[in-house]
Amino acid sequence: AQSVTQLGSHVSVSEGALVLLRCNYSSSVPPYLFWYVQYPNQGLQLLLKYTSAATLVKGINGFEAEFKKSETSFHLTKPSAHMSDAAEYFCAVSDLNFGNEKLTFGTGTRLTIIP
Amino acid sequence: KAGVTQTPRYLIKTRGQQVTLSCSPISGHRSVSWYQQTPGQGLQFLFEYFSETQRNKGNFPGRFSGRQFSNSRSEMNVSTLELGDSALYLCASSSATANTGELFFGEGSRLTVL
Repeated sequence: AQSVTQLGSHVSVSEGALVLLRCNYSSSVPPYLFWYVQYPNQGLQLLLKYTSAATLVKGINGFEAEFKKSETSFHLTKPSAHMSDAAEYFCAVSDLNFGNEKLTFGTGTRLTIIP
Repeated sequence: KAGVTQTPRYLIKTRGQQVTLSCSPISGHRSVSWYQQTPGQGLQFLFEYFSETQRNKGNFPGRFSGRQFSNSRSEMNVSTLELGDSALYLCASSSATANTGELFFGEGSRLTVL
């Protein structure tokens, strides 16, 4: 079964500092990987996705992630944090290789921005 | 293009009651999935429907059921509610033909069971 592990349930960074949220995956086939963001009392919004094209994926709001097969990682980064980035972030892997649309999510990382 | 719409947004029920939640997918999307989100268990997959057929089911008891209509709208039902069913229930839709695995989520229905 495919799975993702997010290291660190809470991450705090200062405004303007680098954001790094960690995600490692486990998959028996080349994975489809996603990062979603959830703001309070809202649903999930897609930040970016990796679907076996370029290994460096750029998303919305200045976020990007790099797929590293050797490290089975898909870490999310942003060069300079903004107060509006405070939210919960979820890494997910898709079962698309097996013909269905199911996503398996990590446990989430809550990002706090310190003014 | 309208997004995924879920109703109601908030509801309160008591133990033993049943509840029905509704989801209208993005126009043209034929796949609808449901997820339960709780602080303790995180995001857990409930089931997925495509063209009125359940294609995949998560590890939930039979009290959780769903269906999809010919217009792709979906409902999920929880019978004999328990306190542990208190959660945010998220619906997501996808085109299923774009083959990207990308899901578009609604804002959720927050269920409180007293």
